[in-house]
Amino acid sequence: GAGVSQTPSNKVTEKGKYVELRCDPISGHTALYWYRQSLGQGPEFLIYFQGTGAADDSGLPNDRFFAVRPEGSVSTLKIQRTERGDSAVYLCASSGTYDGTHGTEAFFGQGTRLTVV
Amino acid sequence: LAKTTQPISMDSYEGQEVNITCSHNNIATNDYITWYQQFPSQGPRFIIQGYKTKVTNEVASLFIPADRKSSTLSLPRVSLSDTAVYYCLVGDGGYQKVTFGTGTKLQVIP
Repeated sequence: GAGVSQTPSNKVTEKGKYVELRCDPISGHTALYWYRQSLGQGPEFLIYFQGTGAADDSGLPNDRFFAVRPEGSVSTLKIQRTERGDSAVYLCASSGTYDGTHGTEAFFGQGTRLTVV
Repeated sequence: LAKTTQPISMDSYEGQEVNITCSHNNIATNDYITWYQQFPSQGPRFIIQGYKTKVTNEVASLFIPADRKSSTLSLPRVSLSDTAVYYCLVGDGGYQKVTFGTGTKLQVIP
């Protein structure tokens, strides 16, 4: 597709359940990022992939959160034993390879609004 | 990571030029300055990026003084559709751990 696609756009789940959020990045983009945005706040970094590997997962709040990108394209953010505090918009972004000599532009998806009830 | 400080909100009338200034006193040598726009229920959208002096594209200009401790996003002749939150980001261009902050909520008034 032309842009970053995230599915589902909305997800309502019960406390304690497991959820998976999917991100389809722009074709050819090697870098992929997950952010979380709470109401009235800016996006908060969660994890960064370069290719298939998680280059930096220091933003994941705890071990209930996990993300994969097995083939270097689509990524899935997985949240176990969801809590009401996990309710937020989860944003995915992708960008081309950063060559270290100039800045890059990140392209964001529309996000998945997760509501834990 | 260089932190940024920008006004929480601004109001402007349609047709006016809007300047939003961002402070980033701890900017590193390798850091770029990037501005994003976000509408409700949408992901952020890239506006402009620069390293020093002035950068201009079809939607905005970015002014960066020599010490790079601040930057100013300039939006010429804003319209109602420019009402959005504007984020100033500072990072090494690779976007690892980029901190968005709370942004500046721009309200354009008819």
